[in-house]
Amino acid sequence: IQLTQSPSFLSASVGDRVTVTCRASQAISSYLAWYQQIPGKAPNLLIYAASTLQSGVPSRFSGSGSGTDFTLTISGLQPEDFATYYCQQLSSVPPTFGGGTKVEIK
Amino acid sequence: EVQLVESGGGLVQPGGSLRLSCAASGFTFRSYWMHWVRQAPGKGLVWVSRINNDGSSISYADSVKGRFTISRDNAKNTLYLQMNSLRAEDTAVYFCAREGYSSGYWFDPWGQGTLVTVSS
Repeated sequence: IQLTQSPSFLSASVGDRVTVTCRASQAISSYLAWYQQIPGKAPNLLIYAASTLQSGVPSRFSGSGSGTDFTLTISGLQPEDFATYYCQQLSSVPPTFGGGTKVEIK
Repeated sequence: EVQLVESGGGLVQPGGSLRLSCAASGFTFRSYWMHWVRQAPGKGLVWVSRINNDGSSISYADSVKGRFTISRDNAKNTLYLQMNSLRAEDTAVYFCAREGYSSGYWFDPWGQGTLVTVSS
């Protein structure tokens, strides 16, 4: 199953609302997770089951969608949110990742 | 604290071998499926392999099938990745990750990663 993220890069300001989309090549129900990766660090789980916020993750992060179309929204971008975001499908093996969306400071 | 710590990375020549280890602590290791994921320099995340909790079910990415072997020692709380016939395109940071489930699946936590460089 292929995952297509868009955009691959976006420039935004602190306080902005940011939306990243992830489209699956076939239906994956809600078996989708989102991760944040800061350069030089391991990925960090943000959301699983498409919309469930991982414990400890700020509530400005939210996820939605099911089937083939999913979104990650950051409501009120903070300086520590500038990173790369990946979606991952866990509906079938191999558990593939999207290509990533790099969020940079405008 | 739930933690995964990888080791064993380094510089190896094409055609060589390397064994990565992932030491787990802070949770009941034998109860969880485990995965290896890699990331080439400047590139995205790519799944490599998975093993179920008792080692009886294993899967590999096509790109490493026949060359890499995943295993685990539940008595030592350690996951392994034996990498043979290494190629330049295997150069990457290798992460181990725990698979979780509760209404959906996820990978958490991840180790800090260990760098494998394949070069002559």
